[in-house]
Amino acid sequence: DIVMTQSPDSLAVSLGERATINCKSSQTVLFTSNRKSYLTWYQQKSGQPPKVLFYWASTRESGVPDRFNASGSGTDFTLTISSLQAEDVALYYCYQYYSSPYTFGQGTKLEIK
Amino acid sequence: EVQLVESGGGVVQPGRSLTLSCAASGFIFDDYAMHWVRQTPGKGLEWVSGISGKSDSVGYVDSLKGRFTISRDNAKNSLYLQMSSLRDDDTALYYCAKAVGEHLFYYHMDVWGKGTTVTVSS
Repeated sequence: DIVMTQSPDSLAVSLGERATINCKSSQTVLFTSNRKSYLTWYQQKSGQPPKVLFYWASTRESGVPDRFNASGSGTDFTLTISSLQAEDVALYYCYQYYSSPYTFGQGTKLEIK
Repeated sequence: EVQLVESGGGVVQPGRSLTLSCAASGFIFDDYAMHWVRQTPGKGLEWVSGISGKSDSVGYVDSLKGRFTISRDNAKNSLYLQMSSLRDDDTALYYCAKAVGEHLFYYHMDVWGKGTTVTVSS
C-alpha cells in the first residue's frame, strides 16, 4: 500500500502570512504515460465533508481561491496558502488515487496564530 | 445540483451486520464510480471501498476484505455498503463520495455526502 505522510501535523500561522503543508508518498504516484501525479488535496472544515482543492497534484478545482497553490510530482507534494484568511482554518489532507487501496495522509490541522 | 445522502447508520453490537445506503441525485449515476470513505477522530480519513459505474470493478482496503461488500443499483441511483462482523474499530462517520469518471481507477472523488455515523458498541 502507498503510505502518505503529511508534515506538519498541525500548523499555526498569522493572518496574511504563508502556510505550507507537505505530503510525501512512499511510492511514486506519477503515471509516466501522461506525466500526471494522481494526488488530490482536500480541505475539511469543522462539521463538513472534505472539499477538493486540487487534483492531479496541481490542477485547481473550480472556485478555489488563487491564494491556494499546489505543486509537486512523483513522491513529494506541497500545498501553499499565500496569505492566510480566517476562513482557511481547516484540516487538510492529501490523497493518492494512483494505486488501490487508495490512501490519505494523516491530515494537517491549520489554525490561526 | 449533485447531491449524495447517506443513511443506515446507527448503534450496533459487535459481531452484528449493518447496511449503509447512499442516494444520489443531480447526475447520471452509472457514468461515475462511487466510493465509501470513513473518518474517525483518531485515524483521520480512510478509503474503504470503491465500485465502477457499471459494477465491473470493485476495490477494498485490505483490512476490510471479506467483511464489507460494496454494491450499487443504477436503476435506483443508489450505492450500498454491507458491513458484517462489525468491530469496535469500525465506529466511524461513513461518507459516500462520487468519482469524476466511470472507472474505479485513476479518478479522484469530487463530491461527498454529509456522512452517516456507525457506532459499534455493546
